[in-house]
Amino acid sequence: GAVVSQHPSRVICKSGTSVKIECRSLDFQATTMFWYRQFPKKSLMLMATSNEGSKATYEQGVEKDKFLINHASLTLSTLTVTSAHPEDSSFYICSARVGGQVTEAFFGQGTRLTVV
Amino acid sequence: GQNIDQPTEMTATEGAIVQINCTYQTSGFNGLFWYQQHAGEAPTFLSYNVLDGLEEKGRFSSFLSRSKGYSYLLLKELQMKDSASYLCAVKDSNYQLIWGAGTKLIIKP
Repeated sequence: GAVVSQHPSRVICKSGTSVKIECRSLDFQATTMFWYRQFPKKSLMLMATSNEGSKATYEQGVEKDKFLINHASLTLSTLTVTSAHPEDSSFYICSARVGGQVTEAFFGQGTRLTVV
Repeated sequence: GQNIDQPTEMTATEGAIVQINCTYQTSGFNGLFWYQQHAGEAPTFLSYNVLDGLEEKGRFSSFLSRSKGYSYLLLKELQMKDSASYLCAVKDSNYQLIWGAGTKLIIKP
């Protein structure tokens, strides 16, 4: 089956620094990847849709200059949290849609970001 | 606005059956999904319904009624490992997933 690998699984960083999270589709080409944020006991919140070779589409209220998304290839999308602050601490999850399929069935393992 | 409602928490006994309900109001409908999420992990896909009726997959079944904006996930022969959150999500007219907050299922011996 299709596998999405997300790295790192956990990261602790100092306030003001930047953190890069990678999302890779290991055995398929993902033209579209999605980045979510999840707060404890809350629903997943879509942050942005990442399309290979073009600019990401950000959801309302998500700062594109703070959450930089790059989808440089059909198998890799990255999310960079710039100038991180403690309020950016959260669980970030990527998912990928297999071309031609309607289900968004493949999620990365998630990244627990803690900003101290 | 768009809204997905599901109970916050449910408790059931090992070996029993539990039904987790989900109601939705969305702008358009292009399918309903159920995911399982263990604490600290990403969601894993369980089922997909786009037509009315029951979809059965092993111990798990999912039902959809589009006219009522309603779905349920039925878990049979509950096992301790089924303790997790169950997320209902609907794909709207823009093919964007709208997520419920999830139902935390607690299984007791």
